[in-house]
Amino acid sequence: AQSVTQLDSQVPVFEEAPVELRCNYSSSVSVYLFWYVQYPNQGLQLLLKYLSGSTLVESINGFEAEFNKSQTSFHLRKPSVHISDTAEYFCAVSYKAAGNKLTFGGGTRVLVKP
Amino acid sequence: GAGVSQSPRYKVAKRGQDVALRCDPISGHVSLFWYQQALGQGPEFLTYFQNEAQLDKSGLPSDRFFAERPEGSVSTLKIQRTQQEDSAVYLCASSLEIAGDTQYFGPGTRLTVL
Repeated sequence: AQSVTQLDSQVPVFEEAPVELRCNYSSSVSVYLFWYVQYPNQGLQLLLKYLSGSTLVESINGFEAEFNKSQTSFHLRKPSVHISDTAEYFCAVSYKAAGNKLTFGGGTRVLVKP
Repeated sequence: GAGVSQSPRYKVAKRGQDVALRCDPISGHVSLFWYQQALGQGPEFLTYFQNEAQLDKSGLPSDRFFAERPEGSVSTLKIQRTQQEDSAVYLCASSLEIAGDTQYFGPGTRLTVL
């Protein structure tokens, strides 16, 4: 069965510091990769996704993630976080051979401190 | 435009009761997904519809869970004879097509079984 592992359940970080959220998935077959964010009291929103092409993808609010096929990873990074980035972040994968259903990791809660 | 809506937002049921959870997808979205999110965990896939056809129900945890989308738009997830382990947030998502399209999530229904 497919699985997604987010190695850190919680990441405290100071404002303007960099942050990296790690994500590994279980298979190297053709995949689509996603990061979703859930702000307090809000629903899941897509942050960014990798479908094909350049292995580095970016979001509009400064996050980026790099698809690494050999390491089956899709880590999320931001060079300087804001208080407003406090949220829970979920890595997810869908497998081209299995339709569009998403397999999620357990989530990483980011708490940005002033 | 309007996003995915779900109702009720909160539901408290006594063990053994039947419940029905409703999802209104984004207009024109062909695909509809249901996920279950237990406290402190990532969402887990339950079932998937393409229009009115239920193409994948591999994630439904037992035969007490039933989903339908009779006209290819609104969907209902029904849980019969609820148990305490059914307590979770039930998320609905919709997308345009398969193959990596972004899934747009509703706010969820928080079900508490006493």
